[in-house]
Amino acid sequence: AQTVTQSQPEMSVQEAETVTLSCTYDTSESDYYLFWYKQPPSRQMILVIRQEAYKQQNATENRFSVNFQKAAKSFSLKISDSQLGDAAMYFCAYRRFQGAQKLVFGQGTRLTINP
Amino acid sequence: NAGVTQTPKFQVLKTGQSMTLQCAQDMNHEYMSWYRQDPGMGLRLIHYSVGAGITDQGEVPNGYNVSRSTTEDFPLRLLSAAPSQTSVYFCTSGQGPQREQFFGPGTRLTVL
Repeated sequence: AQTVTQSQPEMSVQEAETVTLSCTYDTSESDYYLFWYKQPPSRQMILVIRQEAYKQQNATENRFSVNFQKAAKSFSLKISDSQLGDAAMYFCAYRRFQGAQKLVFGQGTRLTINP
Repeated sequence: NAGVTQTPKFQVLKTGQSMTLQCAQDMNHEYMSWYRQDPGMGLRLIHYSVGAGITDQGEVPNGYNVSRSTTEDFPLRLLSAAPSQTSVYFCTSGQGPQREQFFGPGTRLTVL
């Protein structure tokens, strides 16, 4: 079975600084997806970024980028120029490439932005 | 296009009561699923469906029933609520393995 681990329950960063959230996972499969979701106080789950395991290039979405290390099974999220609106719970998730859309989530990291 | 809708948004139950959490999507998605979110544990899969009439268990199915009689609806039933089922519940839908998965707004359930 696949597992996802987020070892940082809480992180904080100064506004405009850069922060990196860590995620490791375990799988025996070679093709899969990895995701970072943001959950603000509104509770809505918002997709931040998605990485396909067969792509060597790291995904980027504006101020959000990932460092995908397939051999090390590591998938960290870097947030540049942190903004107050980035404050939220962040979840790392894994999904198989084929089959039902079954997500496996990490425990989450609560990110605080200090003004 | 309303996306994925969940009702109710909040619910308080007493131990032993039954209820159904509703989930509907208007995007003609084949894949739907239910997750529960608990502090420190992330989200865990309860049940999922890959099409009308087809359902299967996820990681934490005990105490929950589902059915999928139509493509649009995927209700989650609690037959006899227990305090351990206090949680936030999310429904998702998607078109296929390589396609985006959409989340509903969630239902916060408290069982006293």
